[in-house]
Amino acid sequence: GAGVSQSPSNKVTEKGKDVELRCDPISGHTALYWYRQRLGQGLEFLIYFQGNSAPDKSGLPSDRFSAERTGESVSTLTIQRTQQEDSAVYLCASSLERSKPQHFGDGTRLSIL
Amino acid sequence: ELKVEQNPLFLSMQEGKNYTIYCNYSTTSDRLYWYRQDPGKSLESLFVLLSNGAVKQEGRLMASLDTKARLSTLHITAAVHDLSATYFCAVNPGANAGGTSYGKLTFGQGTILTVHP
Repeated sequence: GAGVSQSPSNKVTEKGKDVELRCDPISGHTALYWYRQRLGQGLEFLIYFQGNSAPDKSGLPSDRFSAERTGESVSTLTIQRTQQEDSAVYLCASSLERSKPQHFGDGTRLSIL
Repeated sequence: ELKVEQNPLFLSMQEGKNYTIYCNYSTTSDRLYWYRQDPGKSLESLFVLLSNGAVKQEGRLMASLDTKARLSTLHITAAVHDLSATYFCAVNPGANAGGTSYGKLTFGQGTILTVHP
């Protein structure tokens, strides 16, 4: 499969726990994006990586959210001390570079109890 | 701040009918995307519109872009049940936005389309 791969596909955790979501972009794609989609809503931008440039973190909703990317490969989105309002589908996308179409993974459905 | 608004948000159609979904955006953009999302699934890219007057067609769907009016339309012709899904438009701020804004998509709220027999 040459698409964007995300894991886990589903995650249920208790309020207050930390979670880590993983994204494997399409090989060769320099740009990687994380979005959040709450139930019945559109996508909210969270963070964006482009090559070796400093990431654009302007969409992260609080300092409990952070993300890293190793070179031009895997990215992890970490949410610390989860709250119920963090429940959503977290989607990762990648593109050849930032002007090219974004290809989306299947998402991680996160449920906070 | 770039804002993207779609209407209608809910659309119930009979098979065989035509309808149009509208996408308005608030600031200069150099490309606009249409995506389809089936329930529980990720987003599938439908169209990329790059310039004023651009028109693209795929099957029963046709998308157009008017950059002067900051408006894109997604027209559905002779709807069939398989088109039932949520449709999103997404806007990439213009290259003039500069810095890290370029490439960061802003999405509309989505239009939930249901096609009835």
